[in-house]
Amino acid sequence: KQEVTQIPAALSVPEGENLVLNCSFTDSAIYNLQWFRQDPGKGLTSLLLIQSSQREQTSGRLNASLDKSSGRSTLYIAASQPGDSATYLCAVYNTDKLIFGTGTRLQVFP
Amino acid sequence: EPEVTQTPSHQVTQMGQEVILRCVPISNHLYFYWYRQILGQKVEFLVSFYNNEISEKSEIFDDQFSVERPDGSNFTLKIRSTKLEDSAMYFCASSAGTSSYNEQFFGPGTRLTVL
Repeated sequence: KQEVTQIPAALSVPEGENLVLNCSFTDSAIYNLQWFRQDPGKGLTSLLLIQSSQREQTSGRLNASLDKSSGRSTLYIAASQPGDSATYLCAVYNTDKLIFGTGTRLQVFP
Repeated sequence: EPEVTQTPSHQVTQMGQEVILRCVPISNHLYFYWYRQILGQKVEFLVSFYNNEISEKSEIFDDQFSVERPDGSNFTLKIRSTKLEDSAMYFCASSAGTSSYNEQFFGPGTRLTVL
């Protein structure tokens, strides 16, 4: 059974720092992997989708990498800003569903 | 840009009542999904639906739940007799093809509160 784990569970950093959020999954036979952002009490905002044949994707200050063989993905956030404060979720595509991790709650203070 | 919409945004109901959560997927999508997120917990898969049939469901999706595509645009989740533990945010998603290779697009969610 696929399990998705995210480390750390929470992170508090000063503005301007570069950050790495980690996601690991137990079964490397995944298709795609997607990173989402979720603000408190709100919905899911898609950040990056990495297809299984890709090793990384970039969007603005965000870069996500995927290493299927080791069951890991990382989300790199450059030059963090207070507006980046949110919970970040990774999810793996497993047959016909997404399996989500528990998230990393990020707080960036001025 | 096309998007998935959900109504209502917030539903409050009494325990034991039936509720119907509504979703309008992206118009040319063929695969539809429901997920839920209990407060403070992870997002969990409930059910996937394709060609007017359930293609996969989780252990959570018991006989109290049902899904339907009553017309060409709506996709609904019905909970027959709500329990306190059904209180959660419910997300609808759709994809153009099987999610093995196609991105799922999520709606904004319906917050269900069971009193």
